[in-house]
Amino acid sequence: AQSVAQPEDQVNVAEGNPLTVKCTYSVSGNPYLFWYVQYPNRGLQFLLKYITGDNLVKGSYGFEAEFNKSQTSFHLKKPSALVSDSALYFCATTFYTDKLIFGTGTRLQVFP
Amino acid sequence: DAGVTQSPTHLIKTRGQQVTLRCSPISGHKSVSWYQQVLGQGPQFIFQYYEKEERGRGNFPDRFSARQFPNYSSELNVNALLLGDSALYLCASSLFVSKDYEQYFGPGTRLTVT
Repeated sequence: AQSVAQPEDQVNVAEGNPLTVKCTYSVSGNPYLFWYVQYPNRGLQFLLKYITGDNLVKGSYGFEAEFNKSQTSFHLKKPSALVSDSALYFCATTFYTDKLIFGTGTRLQVFP
Repeated sequence: DAGVTQSPTHLIKTRGQQVTLRCSPISGHKSVSWYQQVLGQGPQFIFQYYEKEERGRGNFPDRFSARQFPNYSSELNVNALLLGDSALYLCASSLFVSKDYEQYFGPGTRLTVT
């Protein structure tokens, strides 16, 4: 069965420092991997996706993610964190359908 | 262009009642999916509809049903509400046929069952 795991419930980082939010996957076949962000009382906003191609995927708001097949990981990164990046981040996968399977989420807190 | 819209924003119901949630997709999107997000958890897939037909169903009881209209809007119905149905219900739309599976989410409907 397709699944993703987010091992950290919360990540704390100082503004201006690089940030990483971790995600590992377990899928059969070629993985379709996504990152979404959720701000308080809001729906999910799409950040980026990996389908095939370059292992480094660039997305919205300066975020990028690195696909690592040997480690079955798809970590979300940003070189310099902003206070406004504080939100709930979800990794997700799908198996050739619109049914997204989400991780449990990681709360990112960026401190001034 | 308007994004995915959902109504109502908030809803309070009592146990045993029935509720209907509504969703309008992005113009041109023919696929609508519904997700349930319980506090502290990731969204869970409930249904997908494409061209008015059910294309996928998650592990939810028969109390949950949905339909899609000719204009591609959708309704999610939940009967015999339980306290555990309290959640944020998210609607997402996509082109579906593009096969990139990129979905766009609405702001959600917060359902509280008392």
